Amino acid sequence: GDSVTQMEGPVTLSEEAFLTINCTYTATGYPSLFWYVQYPGEGLQLLLKATKADDKGSNKGFEATYRKETTSFHLEKGSVQVSDSAVYFCALPFSGGYNKLIFGAGTRLAVHP
Amino acid sequence: DTGVSQDPRHKITKRGQNVTFRCDPISEHNRLYWYRQTLGQGPEFLTYFQNEAQLEKSRLLSDRFSAERPKGSFSTLEIQRTEQGDSAMYLCASSPLGTGTEAFFGQGTRLTVV
Repeated sequence: GDSVTQMEGPVTLSEEAFLTINCTYTATGYPSLFWYVQYPGEGLQLLLKATKADDKGSNKGFEATYRKETTSFHLEKGSVQVSDSAVYFCALPFSGGYNKLIFGAGTRLAVHP
Repeated sequence: DTGVSQDPRHKITKRGQNVTFRCDPISEHNRLYWYRQTLGQGPEFLTYFQNEAQLEKSRLLSDRFSAERPKGSFSTLEIQRTEQGDSAMYLCASSPLGTGTEAFFGQGTRLTVV
């Protein structure tokens, strides 16, 4: 069945460091791909998405490129801030449902000053 | 606040008791979703509604779980005869109709079964 695998956390970085969180997927066809973020005490929020191969999603300085050849959707940010500390989830939809999502296990990011 | 609202935020119950959670979606959002999130894991899809119709419930975890959305607005998720393994965060999300629409999540209800 379809699935999402993320790198395990926690990821601990100093402010202004470069961030990569790896995500690979297994799916039938070419589904849309998403990154969600969960800040402490808040609900899940859509961070960015890509709807087809080679698309790049971007938001708040974060980027991810849909790579069908490597079935990957890695999240990157060039310079993290303390306010980026959160849990990040990679996700894709079940076939037939845009918001019926399969989530990865999540990667916790902690950014220190 | 016009986001997705869930009530209660926390619930502690004894094993064997029934519990019910409520979700109020963003008004005019036709679709409503329930997920469960256990510690250290991503959310797991349970069921969803389009207006008052429950379009998928095959992923509800057992027949102890049921959900309703009687008037196409708020929804309830009920767990009967709770077990310790039911302890988790229960998340609700809503979205408009159509493809390419974003789902907005509530803050969740944390259930602890003792």
